[in-house]
Amino acid sequence: DGGITQSPKYLFRKEGQNVTLSCEQNLNHDAMYWYRQDPGQGLRLIYYSQIVNDFQKGDIAEGYSVSREKKESFPLTVTSAQKNPTAFYLCASQAGTPGETQYFGPGTRLLVL
Amino acid sequence: QKEVEQNSGPLSVPEGAIASLNCTYSDRGSQSFFWYRQYSGKSPELIMSIYSNGDKEDGRFTAQLNKASQYVSLLIRDSQPSDSATYLCAVNGPTSGSRLTFGEGTQLTVNP
Repeated sequence: DGGITQSPKYLFRKEGQNVTLSCEQNLNHDAMYWYRQDPGQGLRLIYYSQIVNDFQKGDIAEGYSVSREKKESFPLTVTSAQKNPTAFYLCASQAGTPGETQYFGPGTRLLVL
Repeated sequence: QKEVEQNSGPLSVPEGAIASLNCTYSDRGSQSFFWYRQYSGKSPELIMSIYSNGDKEDGRFTAQLNKASQYVSLLIRDSQPSDSATYLCAVNGPTSGSRLTFGEGTQLTVNP
């Protein structure tokens, strides 16, 4: 059963804490993306990766970090430098060719305690 | 000017009516256009993709693209309460590689 999984569904962060959001895909897609969505807003790109061991900053990368050690996995770390992390985080993957559809995982909702 | 702009919502239509959702984009060289539907609290799911000028139909949904006017729309015929959601327009620009730029979305409510 092919798809994109994200975990956890809900995540709580304390002040000064780093937290990591998981994203795994078994679609054999080359490209993976992380977006942030705030209430009533569209999607803003945090980081993306078009190939293993390579990634690029998106529009709002400050306070976030990623790694791409495996094709299937693209974890996102929300660092303590991100002062307003409460949002809905969406991971997406794509075959990698420009113009191909991006498919989304179910999302992780991050809340600050 | 925003790269991708959608008509401000919320949009409310009666059941059975046609819902019209509009999107304009700023990069004239954009090649690929997508409409996603997002239910409250859920992730976006693809409704339609369109790459050439003209209309593309899939069931009750029709996407319309006019590259000269930098305009893409989504028509939903025979609207159903289950169509109530936020609709996101996404565009792949010529210098964006595989990146998509999303509009802020239009919230649609279909009233029974």
